[in-house]
Amino acid sequence: SQTIHQWPATLVQPVGSPLSLECTVEGTSNPNLYWYRQAAGRGLQLLFYSVGIGQISSEVPQNLSASRPQDRQFILSSKKLLLSDSGFYLCACLVAGNTIYFGEGSWLTVV
Amino acid sequence: GQSLEQPSEVTAVEGAIVQINCTYQTSGFYGLSWYQQHDGGAPTFLSYNALDGLEETGRFSSFLSRSDSYGYLLLQELQMKDSASYFCAALDTGRRALTFGSGTRLQVQP
Repeated sequence: SQTIHQWPATLVQPVGSPLSLECTVEGTSNPNLYWYRQAAGRGLQLLFYSVGIGQISSEVPQNLSASRPQDRQFILSSKKLLLSDSGFYLCACLVAGNTIYFGEGSWLTVV
Repeated sequence: GQSLEQPSEVTAVEGAIVQINCTYQTSGFYGLSWYQQHDGGAPTFLSYNALDGLEETGRFSSFLSRSDSYGYLLLQELQMKDSASYFCAALDTGRRALTFGSGTRLQVQP
């Protein structure tokens, strides 16, 4: 079965600082990968998805970017964080063509 | 685009049965998933329906009617640990990505 590792689990960053969240997946090959964000008390919003190495689709205009340098590695980045970037970031993986599983998430607070 | 509607809150007592409804408007609908999320945690997968009908997994069951664009999650023999938020989510055929409803907060009382 697949395992999704996400880090760091929590971070507090000042406005204008860079961001890098990493996600790696084990137990599957060539998976579809996703980054979601959840604001406090809200639903999950799709930010990016990737069907393969170097293939990134952005769903929401923003100052975040994503990269997939290896088959099972997905990275979320920002050059300059905004207060509105605070939230719970979740990496996810598609399994068996129809089921999406989530990593444990990264709590980001921008101050 | 896609949108899903579900009640914001539901309250029930231990041992009872509760049903959380979800209606959706989507293009390229592939299937309906349900997730449970406890405060501070990540969503955990509960069930997936691609075809009409009922899927049962232990105390939890999920139903889908594609013709009505409607589904529900049924929780039986409620336990205190079932207090959490429950999300329905539609999987689309193109991106194979999930669009989530805003979640239903279930409060189980003794």
